[in-house]
Amino acid sequence: KAGVTQTPRYLIKTRGQQVTLSCSPISGHRSVSWYQQTPGQGLQFLFEYFSETQRNKGNFPGRFSGRQFSNSRSEMNVSTLELGDSALYLCASSFLAGGYNEQFFGPGTRLTVL
Amino acid sequence: SQQGEEDPQALSIQEGENATMNCSYKTSINNLQWYRQNSGRGLVHLILIRSNEREKHSGRLRVTLDTSKKSSSLLITASRAADTASYFCATDEYGNKLVFGAGTILRVKS
Repeated sequence: KAGVTQTPRYLIKTRGQQVTLSCSPISGHRSVSWYQQTPGQGLQFLFEYFSETQRNKGNFPGRFSGRQFSNSRSEMNVSTLELGDSALYLCASSFLAGGYNEQFFGPGTRLTVL
Repeated sequence: SQQGEEDPQALSIQEGENATMNCSYKTSINNLQWYRQNSGRGLVHLILIRSNEREKHSGRLRVTLDTSKKSSSLLITASRAADTASYFCATDEYGNKLVFGAGTILRVKS
């Protein structure tokens, strides 16, 4: 079975731009979660989608948004980029939505904001 | 917010030695998962232990969970240079929302 894939792997943007990241979960998995990893804040939960619905959201500003498609693929969008948005963005997929599940992570997208 | 702390923050050992990392958390959990991360890449799932389990093994990995102390430990036996990585514990705060510790950086010298 193919693992979680994320595209692109690397991105360089400038302040004020917007960016869209993509995540394809493991086949059959319907839950996709997004995390931000920075040296200062560590790994922080952004949001979770299940069956095209946002189930849970972390403490991030409204500039961070996401969606999930009927094939479970998910996209994450960050508008009006700030320098502090530079981070490794990871997505994780899981078979179910209610916890008790192993979550499998993709390789991440490294975003650099200049 | 981070659920808890990992201890130690960094660990350096010789190949063949055992490595033990500890994780503490603050709230009740359904399960606890351990992940490995190599040089800022994606997280590799190592093992999941449920709140009603006390110990679990997977190859050279042994995980224990003490819910009364809200702590877990990860033991890697007979370590190899390839085990050099950062190790994170993660607990489920709500549904699939994972809360991670700060991680332990493990360096295995050959």
